[in-house]
Amino acid sequence: DAKTTQPTSMDCAEGRAANLPCNHSTISGNEYVYWYRQIHSQGPQYIIHGLKNNETNEMASLIITEDRKSSTLILPHATLRDTAVYYCIVRTNSGAGSYQLTFGKGTKLSVIP
Amino acid sequence: NAGVTQTPKFQVLKTGQSMTLQCAQDMNHNSMYWYRQDPGMGLRLIYYSASEGTTDKGEVPNGYNVSRLNKREFSLRLESAAPSQTSVYFCASSEESTGIYGYTFGSGTRLTVV
Repeated sequence: DAKTTQPTSMDCAEGRAANLPCNHSTISGNEYVYWYRQIHSQGPQYIIHGLKNNETNEMASLIITEDRKSSTLILPHATLRDTAVYYCIVRTNSGAGSYQLTFGKGTKLSVIP
Repeated sequence: NAGVTQTPKFQVLKTGQSMTLQCAQDMNHNSMYWYRQDPGMGLRLIYYSASEGTTDKGEVPNGYNVSRLNKREFSLRLESAAPSQTSVYFCASSEESTGIYGYTFGSGTRLTVV
């Protein structure tokens, strides 16, 4: 299974872009990268996912390197409500067409006024 | 609002007691999951159901049983609760077993076993 490595914590000034890195050097060619976040003690919230190309939605952008060994989640204009733990996950194939998400400890992002 | 509903939100059990955590989704999703989260840790998969009528073990299944009652409901049962099962339990669902469109999580059940 592909593993991910993320910094334990990061700070970002309110209104600035938050860039959250993730290393996944053992990722396989058909494995997707997912990002979720967990605000306080709520259930995790899906943010974005990608395979090879960069992706953008209303919440964030995902930049995946050409060799796919790392990626960066970008929150373009961080607000205080973006303070959360951000999880970078490589979706693994558990066989018979079934896939699972394995959560690590994530990066705690603190947005500072 | 559409989503995943978990009951109860809080529960305190004595060691050895049993209980069932309920989960229901109204998004017509095929796949459902149970995770646990211990303090300062990520989520760990307990059991999952790729489709109605099927269930499979995840990373930490010992001490738990599950039932996929129908397409909407997926319950988690603790037959004899232990202090090590004190945790926050999250249920999730996805459109299909690949989960490619992402998971939707419930708000969690906070369980304390004393």
